[in-house]
Amino acid sequence: SQQGEEDPQALSIQEGENATMNCSYKTSINNLQWYRQNSGRGLVHLILIRSNEREKHSGRLRVTLDTSKKSSSLLITASRAADTASYFCATDGQGAQKLVFGQGTRLTINP
Amino acid sequence: DVKVTQSSRYLVKRTGEKVFLECVQDMDHENMFWYRQDPGLGLRLIYFSYDVKMKEKGDIPEGYSVSREKKERFSLILESASTNQTSMYLCASRTTDRGTDTQYFGPGTRLTVL
Repeated sequence: SQQGEEDPQALSIQEGENATMNCSYKTSINNLQWYRQNSGRGLVHLILIRSNEREKHSGRLRVTLDTSKKSSSLLITASRAADTASYFCATDGQGAQKLVFGQGTRLTINP
Repeated sequence: DVKVTQSSRYLVKRTGEKVFLECVQDMDHENMFWYRQDPGLGLRLIYFSYDVKMKEKGDIPEGYSVSREKKERFSLILESASTNQTSMYLCASRTTDRGTDTQYFGPGTRLTVL
């Protein structure tokens, strides 16, 4: 059963602009994570936000979590060509050891 | 840095062959996972292991089996490969330390079954 759904499926912006991706999920969670995947490679963990947190920052990344709406957003500020990748949100069920990933947002940064 | 390695980046096999995909992690993690990734379907969990010799089915275990004889190694086995198992296979590991839920991924194996 799919837990996370990302929106949009694809996003293309100019270098220097901000990129926002959204994730919705269905059941209660302990935390929500965002991962990045460069083309043909494995996933790399970016940031984790716990269910009792509303916002978290890491460098140019800003993640928000709204548990009442069961949604999260990932903002990448001042985008760079190297940010071109697919971005996935992943959620865990409370007490579960496994994560459920969404289908991802493919982000393209145009120079 | 956590390192998760997979035995092959690219693999081509024929229908009916037995296929072994190996994954090794060097951080003494208890949990290990196998996913497959297909366009439009995202990552789907095949099997996971929460400790040595322990395994649990994920969402799509049919046609696959796994082996975890040593803590650092988690193998995915396709008993009789079929063309619908052509996919990207990703291995991941995770510690069970409290407050740490991050999964660390290998580079992936792109398997083609002819």
